[in-house]
Amino acid sequence: GAVVSQHPSWVICKSGTSVKIECRSLDFQATTMFWYRQFPKQSLMLMATSNEGSKATYEQGVEKDKFLINHASLTLSTLTVTSAHPEDSSFYICSAREVDRGAYNSPLHFGNGTRLTVT
Amino acid sequence: QQPVQSPQAVILREGEDAVINCSSSKALYSVHWYRQKHGEAPVFLMILLKGGEQKGHEKISASFNEKKQQSSLYLTASQLSYSGTYFCGTEIELSPNNAGNMLTFGGGTRLMVKP
Repeated sequence: GAVVSQHPSWVICKSGTSVKIECRSLDFQATTMFWYRQFPKQSLMLMATSNEGSKATYEQGVEKDKFLINHASLTLSTLTVTSAHPEDSSFYICSAREVDRGAYNSPLHFGNGTRLTVT
Repeated sequence: QQPVQSPQAVILREGEDAVINCSSSKALYSVHWYRQKHGEAPVFLMILLKGGEQKGHEKISASFNEKKQQSSLYLTASQLSYSGTYFCGTEIELSPNNAGNMLTFGGGTRLMVKP
């Protein structure tokens, strides 16, 4: 089945530094990838939709200058948390669909997530 | 808009049944169900498309009532491995047979199965 690889699994960083999270689709191409954030005991909240070759689409309330998304190829999207602060500590999960459009019966495959702790 | 899940939490004894509901105020193209264990990524369970689908795998099944924009997940004869948080993800229908291509997740239902 389709696999989405996310790296790193966890990261601890100091306040004010930047952190990059990578999301790769290993055996399929994805022109669109989705970035979610999940706080403890809460639901997955969509942050942004990453589009290959064009700008990401951010959800309301998500700062695009703080959460930089780059979708450089059909298999790789990166999320960079710039000038991280303790309130950015969360579980970040990327996802992609095996078939981008035209077949809406394909599931969303999730990466294993990245637990970010900002000290 | 986020779909509403109920109940928020349920505790079962091994072998008991449970139903988890997911409701939306918008016309849906599809409903996706996922289970998430603590500290792990969500795992896909099944998709239901508009048109009144029902489907299942082993002892987990689901239905999608298009008129009510509601889906239910049925867990039969629950096993210890069923414990986790269940999320429904809904995909709205932008226009007839045209889906939005992104999922909005409900608040989750925490299920605990005890021996």
